[in-house]
Amino acid sequence: AQSVTQPDIHITVSEGASLELRCNYSYGATPYLFWYVQSPGQGLQLLLKYFSGDTLVQGIKGFEAEFKRSQSSFNLRKPSVHWSDAAEYFCAVGGASNYQLIWGAGTKLIIKP
Amino acid sequence: EPEVTQTPSHQVTQMGQEVILRCVPISNHLYFYWYRQILGQKVEFLVSFYNNEISEKSEIFDDQFSVERPDGSNFTLKIRSTKLEDSAMYFCASSPLAEAYNEQFFGPGTRLTVL
Repeated sequence: AQSVTQPDIHITVSEGASLELRCNYSYGATPYLFWYVQSPGQGLQLLLKYFSGDTLVQGIKGFEAEFKRSQSSFNLRKPSVHWSDAAEYFCAVGGASNYQLIWGAGTKLIIKP
Repeated sequence: EPEVTQTPSHQVTQMGQEVILRCVPISNHLYFYWYRQILGQKVEFLVSFYNNEISEKSEIFDDQFSVERPDGSNFTLKIRSTKLEDSAMYFCASSPLAEAYNEQFFGPGTRLTVL
């Protein structure tokens, strides 16, 4: 079955601290992987995506993610978070043969001052 | 920067009523989507639309749902007879090309409340 798991519902980090949000996927074909962010009252904005090539991908707002095929993971990282990073983060997977995205449940990031 | 817009931002309706959720995709995009997110649950794919027809739909997208592109700019989702369980946030998205690796650009969502 195709699925995306984000094991952490909430994560709280201090401003300036590093961040890692976990994402594991189950997908029968070559996965296309995405991280989206949703700020309150806003739509879903793409942070970064992976299709092929270099397994470490850079995104907007200083985020990066690493694709590890052996672990079926695509964890999102940021070396130093800012208060404006407080939002909900969604991992999603799609494939070449269809266009629908399958979503994780999201991780809400809380920033402590 | 061009963006996907959705109206209304919040819709309240009585069970059994018809609702139409409206979306204006980014103007040069060719692929359009509807997703929904029931409160506290995952975002779920409903339907994708290309070249004036449905290209994919999920099991959720039953006969009560329909989509239409009535003119060159709007993309609508109609629910014919709403049920309590249709209460959710509905997101519209569009992407520029058909290839799956293209980013889907999302609107801010319409919160549908069925009473």
